[in-house]
Amino acid sequence: EAGVTQSPTHLIKTRGQQATLRCSPISGHTSVYWYQQALGLGLQFLLWYDEGEERNRGNFPPRFSGRQFPNYSSELNVNALELEDSALYLCASSLKGGGRYTGELFFGEGSRLTVL
Amino acid sequence: AQSVTQLDSHVSVSEGTPVLLRCNYSSSYSPSLFWYVQHPNKGLQLLLKYTSAATLVKGINGFEAEFKKSETSFHLTKPSAHMSDAAEYFCVVSDFSSNTGKLIFGQGTTLQVKP
Repeated sequence: EAGVTQSPTHLIKTRGQQATLRCSPISGHTSVYWYQQALGLGLQFLLWYDEGEERNRGNFPPRFSGRQFPNYSSELNVNALELEDSALYLCASSLKGGGRYTGELFFGEGSRLTVL
Repeated sequence: AQSVTQLDSHVSVSEGTPVLLRCNYSSSYSPSLFWYVQHPNKGLQLLLKYTSAATLVKGINGFEAEFKKSETSFHLTKPSAHMSDAAEYFCVVSDFSSNTGKLIFGQGTTLQVKP
């Protein structure tokens, strides 16, 4: 069974540009989560999508956005890139049990975004 | 509010000796607690989880953790370290009753295993 896949693996952009990162969850998982892992800041919750809807977002500016498609894959968009957006962006997926998420997340290997 | 503190940013052990990675948590609710591991240039993998069942939780690769409510701790242990255990370890807390989808990660502990 394929795990969570993310693309691209690496992405280099310049300040002010836009970045799009993509994630395919494990088959059967309806929830997708995005986390940012920046040097010195640890892992920060970005977004949670479930069944096509945004359920929650972390403390990030609106230029961080995303969506979930009918096949449950997801993309994260970062507009007006800033130097401090350089980080590893991790996508995770999970099953949902009884209408609530179970908390056991399966992570992809991440997309490393470098902003120059 | 929930938080988690990993008491050591770096732990170094010799192969074959015990491993102890310390974690304290703070939660207003009955927490769910996890340990995740991240090997270099890899995503995170769930080692084990506590969700209010048995207080001693066994995970993969010989790791276990004990939930101690009185001490608000959830330390990770392994009797005998292996070279392949060298990685970054994250203690994580979440409150699923609020259904926010959000995990709170500690800052991580780098485990070094010396031959």
